[in-house]
Amino acid sequence: QKEVEQNSGPLSVPEGAIASLNCTYSDRGSQSFFWYRQYSGKSPELIMSIYSNGDKEDGRFTAQLNKASQYVSLLIRDSQPSDSATYLCAVLAGGTSYGKLTFGQGTILTVHP
Amino acid sequence: DTGVSQDPRHKITKRGQNVTFRCDPISEHNRLYWYRQTLGQGPEFLTYFQNEAQLEKSRLLSDRFSAERPKGSFSTLEIQRTEQGDSAMYLCASSQSGGRDTQYFGPGTRLTVL
Repeated sequence: QKEVEQNSGPLSVPEGAIASLNCTYSDRGSQSFFWYRQYSGKSPELIMSIYSNGDKEDGRFTAQLNKASQYVSLLIRDSQPSDSATYLCAVLAGGTSYGKLTFGQGTILTVHP
Repeated sequence: DTGVSQDPRHKITKRGQNVTFRCDPISEHNRLYWYRQTLGQGPEFLTYFQNEAQLEKSRLLSDRFSAERPKGSFSTLEIQRTEQGDSAMYLCASSQSGGRDTQYFGPGTRLTVL
């Protein structure tokens, strides 16, 4: 079992729709969770962080965390073609490995006009 | 606020050569990380420093890899006797300890080993 798994893509949504990206993780000691966006050929760019159970909203983005289910998600409302990218879920390890981010394999999102 | 910078942005080398990459973190950040990313995969952790101390190294980091952060500011990652399997994007990130350890990435160095 991979430590961080993301829903298989690619994901294609029409412009204006809601894109839903999902991620599960195996380390119950994890405390911090991040979503990064990565355009082709570029480096990851932080878009959301979440630390407590529940929802966290920032503009068109909402991150959801359920530690009991070991599940993190990212919703993108009113999707735009400029949102087309690979979205990476990252989990910060706890305990002695604190500081190490473990990434999922990424979900490719395409928003078509 | 200047972000994380990396140099060079691209490196093409022949198998067996040594290469060195540099990373300059965000100025007030005391933690610095190296990751490696291959096509279609998420970044994989290699190592990290808090100030000048190297606190953790991944098993991915073979004896051919060495990283330093001599004065707790910039860091270098050296790969000796490069192999074709070393071709990847090498990413550097930095963060400030004491908070949530949010890591910000530099633009990366793309290494191609011929």
